[in-house]
Amino acid sequence: EIVLTQSPGTLSLSPGERATLSCRASQSVGSNYLAWYQQKPGQAPRLLIYGASSRATGIPDRFSGSGSGTDFTLTISRLEPEDVAVYYCQQYTSSPLTFGGGTKVEIK
Amino acid sequence: EVQLVQSGAEVKKPGESLKISCKGSGYSFTSYWIGWVRQMPGKGLEWMGIIYPGDSDTRYSPSLQGQVTISADKSISTAYLQWNSLKASDTAMYYCARRVVSEEFFDYWGQGTLVTVSS
Repeated sequence: EIVLTQSPGTLSLSPGERATLSCRASQSVGSNYLAWYQQKPGQAPRLLIYGASSRATGIPDRFSGSGSGTDFTLTISRLEPEDVAVYYCQQYTSSPLTFGGGTKVEIK
Repeated sequence: EVQLVQSGAEVKKPGESLKISCKGSGYSFTSYWIGWVRQMPGKGLEWMGIIYPGDSDTRYSPSLQGQVTISADKSISTAYLQWNSLKASDTAMYYCARRVVSEEFFDYWGQGTLVTVSS
């Protein structure tokens, strides 16, 4: 089973700042089969990024994904108040599918 | 518009059985896998298993195999998650989600069903 470790646990930034979230895998994620989801308080998760770097439909371009192998990053270029959420990465290169533990993004 | 609508919150006692549902609309229900994801209180997401409603092919997470049953009724575009004997540790929010055709990530999610198991 591939274990995904997300860091930091919590990120507290001011509006307009850049947020950098990390997802590290215990073994290589083949074909960059890594997705990112956003979960706002009291809501279901929403797909942001798939294939490590492809934005899902309707996702603002301030969200971007990068990385390969075992190290992946989600970047929010200019943080907005509505971006307050927990962000999860998920690998889908091997079964069982696994999620990271999440990074909580707060606004200062 | 693609929608996954889940059944309402449940409060059960340990040892009771339960079946929650997820109804798909706005797309060909038999052509997409439906997965179930657990979120225990204050915790992260955990993949439980997945079903292909077209032929009921089902896969389970090794950690949950035997503890739940996933099924589907394609005639009414509905997937199910079932327990025969609930435990307090089954208390969680449960989400269904549609898997994209060619890769194993989820593009649409249900609103979630909160299951509370308490004596």
